[in-house]
Amino acid sequence: AQRVTQPEKLLSVFKGAPVELKCNYSYSGSPELFWYVQYSRQRLQLLLRHISRESIKGFTADLNKGETSFHLKKPFAQEEDSAMYYCALNWDQGGKLIFGQGTELSVKP
Amino acid sequence: NAGVTQTPKFRILKIGQSMTLQCTQDMNHNYMYWYRQDPGMGLKLIYYSVGAGITDKGEVPNGYNVSRSTTEDFPLRLELAAPSQTSVYFCASRPLGGDREQFFGPGTRLTVL
Repeated sequence: AQRVTQPEKLLSVFKGAPVELKCNYSYSGSPELFWYVQYSRQRLQLLLRHISRESIKGFTADLNKGETSFHLKKPFAQEEDSAMYYCALNWDQGGKLIFGQGTELSVKP
Repeated sequence: NAGVTQTPKFRILKIGQSMTLQCTQDMNHNYMYWYRQDPGMGLKLIYYSVGAGITDKGEVPNGYNVSRSTTEDFPLRLELAAPSQTSVYFCASRPLGGDREQFFGPGTRLTVL
């Protein structure tokens, strides 16, 4: 069965430190993965998707099929990056998403 | 565009009561989804719709019903509220085709006592 795991509930770093939010997935087909972010008092929004291979707000994520991972990285964290981050797997043509449990990122000054 | 709107923002229900959570989108999106998020957990899909008149169950549909009479609206009905339905409910939509990005509403926080 398809599954998304984010092993860290909370990740706390200092401003300027590198950040890596982990995401592992289980899926027998060809995965389509996303990172969504929810800033305080805002709605959930797309951060990036693996297909576009883009960098948004300095974040990147590479799909590693061998390790079934899609970790989110940023070389230098900023205080405004503090938020909840969700990894999600799209597993059918209808766009149904399976979400990980979420990781709260806290960037301290 | 208002995007995806949800009402109410908060609601407290007694066990056995019923209510409808409203969801409306003004982006002419074909697909609409209802998720619930329990504390410390990810979002779980309750029901989804690929267009007006077509709905299907997601991962956790028990205790809920939906309808999709128009493209814009996708209400979620709780018939006999139970404490296990205490959660935050999110509605989302996305267009046909494209890159499958979903657009989320602000959520409804429901407590069943």
